[in-house]
Amino acid sequence: NAGVTQTPKFQVLKTGQSMTLQCAQDMNHEYMSWYRQDPGMGLRLIHYSVGAGITDQGEVPNGYNVSRSTTEDFPLRLLSAAPSQTSVYFCASSYKQPFYGYTFGSGTRLTVV
Amino acid sequence: GDSVTQMEGPVTLSEEAFLTINCTYTATGYPSLFWYVQYPGEGLQLLLKATKADDKGSNKGFEATYRKETTSFHLEKGSVQVSDSAVYFCALEAGFQKLVFGTGTRLLVSP
Repeated sequence: NAGVTQTPKFQVLKTGQSMTLQCAQDMNHEYMSWYRQDPGMGLRLIHYSVGAGITDQGEVPNGYNVSRSTTEDFPLRLLSAAPSQTSVYFCASSYKQPFYGYTFGSGTRLTVV
Repeated sequence: GDSVTQMEGPVTLSEEAFLTINCTYTATGYPSLFWYVQYPGEGLQLLLKATKADDKGSNKGFEATYRKETTSFHLEKGSVQVSDSAVYFCALEAGFQKLVFGTGTRLLVSP
């Protein structure tokens, strides 16, 4: 099925651990991004990429790393997990032009204890 | 900076009632505007969009009109169903393909 695939769906980490959230899309979208969703705060942009080899920071990038080695994949790395990173993470993708809006993955619910 | 303000929820309605969810925005210029819907346990889905002033986006019985004068993009539906229960997000395009989202409005529809 075409779309954005995120893994895992759920994850519990201990403070200080690192992990990678995976995101893959099969629609040949140039643009990919990561958002976090927190109660009462909507979605906030963490990092984004406009194409393979190009990434940039969003609104809340601290504590996260990204890379874009292929058009299809855009993993998000948590370097040293903190309780403040407990959230639901969404990956999204779109064509560069024209921009019709994002296609979202189903999310990863992360709990840091 | 650019921002979106949505009415706080939850909005509780009976089936077949009329729905309005208010959304206003602050932005430089005239950004594209979007409504997304999130069903329980799922990601966000694009519901409708409008790219310029006076455009009306519509989908699945939902409508929203881009009002430049009032910087608003209110979501409406004439007759809601139980299956419309979800969280609705208003968003604007702030710069190149960056979306700024509102905080979301939960809609609960009872039979």
